[in-house]
Amino acid sequence: AQSVTQLDSQVPVFEEAPVELRCNYSSSVSVYLFWYVQYPNQGLQLLLKYLSGSTLVKGINGFEAEFNKSQTSFHLRKPSVHISDTAEYFCAVRASGGSYIPTFGRGTSLIVHP
Amino acid sequence: DSGVTQTPKHLITATGQRVTLRCSPRSGDLSVYWYQQSLDQGLQFLIQYYNGEERAKGNILERFSAQQFPDLHSELNLSSLELGDSALYFCASSGSLAGGLDTQYFGPGTRLTVL
Repeated sequence: AQSVTQLDSQVPVFEEAPVELRCNYSSSVSVYLFWYVQYPNQGLQLLLKYLSGSTLVKGINGFEAEFNKSQTSFHLRKPSVHISDTAEYFCAVRASGGSYIPTFGRGTSLIVHP
Repeated sequence: DSGVTQTPKHLITATGQRVTLRCSPRSGDLSVYWYQQSLDQGLQFLIQYYNGEERAKGNILERFSAQQFPDLHSELNLSSLELGDSALYFCASSGSLAGGLDTQYFGPGTRLTVL
């Protein structure tokens, strides 16, 4: 089985500052990794995913994440945030074989202040 | 807009009652997933259907059931409702040739309040 730990429940940051949202996973097999964003009163939307290949993955809205197998991490970064990035961010993991059911972390609330 | 629709948006009911939540997947998607999101449990996978057949089961209570119809829409039935069933229920779909099997597209959710 896989598990995901999002190390911060809340990350406050000022507009135009860089941000990193941390995600660590646990798995005995190869994994695929995902970041989803949930804006207020909306469903989850895929930001980016790592399936294979380059460990640096670029997503929508200027976000990127780096897969680090040795540290079992998949941290999400953005060099300069906007007010509109205020949302809940979920890291998810699933085994590369087998079912397509991901396991989600508890989420990190990104709060961007003006 | 993800292309996944869910009805109703809000549902308020009493303990002991039964409700049905409906989901229409994106055009072409064969797989439907149901999730429950609550403050204490986070986002929990309930059940998956693929082209009408149950494919995977997660933390779904026996009081809950689901099905996927020939037109691929899905319904989640919740019965003997308890206060603790109050949550956001999301439907997601995947399986389109365009998106690939690994991308799940989420609907806007149904907020269930049990009084």
